[in-house]
Amino acid sequence: GQNIDQPTEMTATEGAIVQINCTYQTSGFNGLFWYQQHAGEAPTFLSYNVLDGLEEKGRFSSFLSRSKGYSYLLLKELQMKDSASYLCAVNSGNTPLVFGKGTRLSVIA
Amino acid sequence: DVKVTQSSRYLVKRTGEKVFLECVQDMDHENMFWYRQDPGLGLRLIYFSYDVKMKEKGDIPEGYSVSREKKERFSLILESASTNQTSMYLCASSLGTSGYEQYFGPGTRLTVT
Repeated sequence: GQNIDQPTEMTATEGAIVQINCTYQTSGFNGLFWYQQHAGEAPTFLSYNVLDGLEEKGRFSSFLSRSKGYSYLLLKELQMKDSASYLCAVNSGNTPLVFGKGTRLSVIA
Repeated sequence: DVKVTQSSRYLVKRTGEKVFLECVQDMDHENMFWYRQDPGLGLRLIYFSYDVKMKEKGDIPEGYSVSREKKERFSLILESASTNQTSMYLCASSLGTSGYEQYFGPGTRLTVT
């Protein structure tokens, strides 16, 4: 089976940097996704990592270490609109994505 | 832009009713998925389909069935709705299985009374 862990809630200040961690245990790893989900809305794709290292996309970056079963999503220059849940999801072999339970981020002034 | 649409945003049904949730995608995606999302439990996979007429059980298929008669349409059926099926239901589609992002519909919030 697969196991994905991420913190339930985090709070950060507007303008700051926040790092949301995700650890996973799986066999046949085939990539890791991060999604953003605002309250009452559908998840939307943020990033995909399949090789070790950092992928940068504007204010958002995602890092992967396959040997450690670890990823993080880094959000810089936080804005109020970044308040949302962030979902980590792992692709394993030819099975559907397995999602973590999500981290609810609150950005405060 | 990929578009995934769901037939209703909000739905209220009575216990024992048969409920149909429809999902349509317009990008010729092979794979389609049905999830439910509950507070504290995250997204849980109910059923998925990799091709027309094909279906596979996900993690929580009990009490649900699905139909995929056309590539663009994937229906979730609650044969006899129960109060514990009150939830947010999300449909998703993807071009492939490995390394492809899933695109989600807006969700249907179903309340069973």
